[in-house]
Amino acid sequence: ELQLLESGGDLVHPGGSLRLSCAASGFTFSSYAMSWVRQAPGKGLEWVSTISNSGGTTYYADSVKGRFTISRDNPKSTLYLQMNSLRAEDTAIYYCANQNGDYWGQGTLVTVSS
Amino acid sequence: DIQMTQSPYSLSASVGDRVTITCRASQSISTYLNWYQQKPGKAPKLLIYAASSLQSGVPSRFSGSGSGTDFTLTISSLQPEDFATYYCQQTYSTRYTFGQGTKLEIK
Repeated sequence: ELQLLESGGDLVHPGGSLRLSCAASGFTFSSYAMSWVRQAPGKGLEWVSTISNSGGTTYYADSVKGRFTISRDNPKSTLYLQMNSLRAEDTAIYYCANQNGDYWGQGTLVTVSS
Repeated sequence: DIQMTQSPYSLSASVGDRVTITCRASQSISTYLNWYQQKPGKAPKLLIYAASSLQSGVPSRFSGSGSGTDFTLTISSLQPEDFATYYCQQTYSTRYTFGQGTKLEIK
């Protein structure tokens, strides 16, 4: 069974850093581009970042460009999101999803607050 | 970035009603459009991909249409489990923007 499991969400102070992980199983992880999508409390979905299947190409929303870094470890079937210089407006549930959008993790909550 | 605009923002309907949600792209995206359903506390669920293809396991009362800049999601006969929030997403550009969502509520 295909599964995506996020972890790493936490309460962090403004300006702080956090690394999210998304462990994949049940499919050939290295064959698919992967994305992070977030949802602020009571708000809609916001695409954050996408990485190609090889990891060689990355894309970012303007709201996180220069602060967040997406990466992947294909042998470990794991996707990452390194988040630096965090702001209150980054508070959200962060989901990982596969290229086709047909599989999503359960989400991990990031709270940025002093 | 390609902007996606959904309408209406919210919608009240009754079980058995036929409902249509629209999504407009700020530029042509061919048929590179997905529709998702999201229920409170849950991850989004893919309903329709490539504008009109029904995802496996999704009931046939859901359908999608459109190309270019204008798209629609139709639910032919609302069921109690269909009350949720619906999002469109363009996959034409690798910056995969979403619409703002349409909340479907029980009348």
